Amino acid sequence: EIVLTQSPGTLSLSPGERATLSCRASQSVSSSYLAWYQQKPGQAPKLLIHGASSRATGIPDRFSGSGSGTDFTLTISRLEPEDFAVYYCQQYGTSPRTFGQGTKVEIK
Amino acid sequence: EVQLVESGGGLVQLGGSLRLSCAASGFSFSDYAFNWVRQAPGKGLEWVSYISSSSSTIYYADSVKGRFTISRDNAKNSLYLQMYSLRDEDTAVYYCARDDGYCSGGRCYPKGSYYYGMDVWGQGTTVTVSS
Repeated sequence: EIVLTQSPGTLSLSPGERATLSCRASQSVSSSYLAWYQQKPGQAPKLLIHGASSRATGIPDRFSGSGSGTDFTLTISRLEPEDFAVYYCQQYGTSPRTFGQGTKVEIK
Repeated sequence: EVQLVESGGGLVQLGGSLRLSCAASGFSFSDYAFNWVRQAPGKGLEWVSYISSSSSTIYYADSVKGRFTISRDNAKNSLYLQMYSLRDEDTAVYYCARDDGYCSGGRCYPKGSYYYGMDVWGQGTTVTVSS
């Protein structure tokens, strides 16, 4: 089983600032099948990034993903008020699919 | 509109059973694999089970193996999760999620040019196990 470790646990930033979220895998993620999801309270997760770096349909270009192998990053270039949420990484190249424990981006 | 709607959640006694359903609309249900993912109160996301488009490949998380059964009815555009011997730790919101790849031998692959993974999610149904 691939274990995904996200850091930091909580990121306290102001609107307009840059957010950098990390996801580290215990072993190489197959073909960079790494996704990022955004989840707001009371809502289902929403796919942001697939294939480590491709934005899902309708996702603003302030969201970008990078990385390969075992180290991946989600960057939000300038935080908008609606971006404050919890973000999860997930690998989907092997079963069991696994999620990171999440990073909460909160308003400073 | 592409949509997944879960139902069947509720309050169940420790050791009891429950069947969750996920109704799909707006796309060709039989072309896709599906997953169940759950989220305990205040916790992160946990993958529970996967079923391929033809039901030929099924996987379970170790935490539910032997107690949960995933199934689908392509004629009814529906996905199911039968849960038995429910425990306190099964209390969670359960989501169904569409999957555009296929898995075999523990590895997963794209069906087409892109592989989005779990690209569409339902709103979730809440299961509460009470002692």
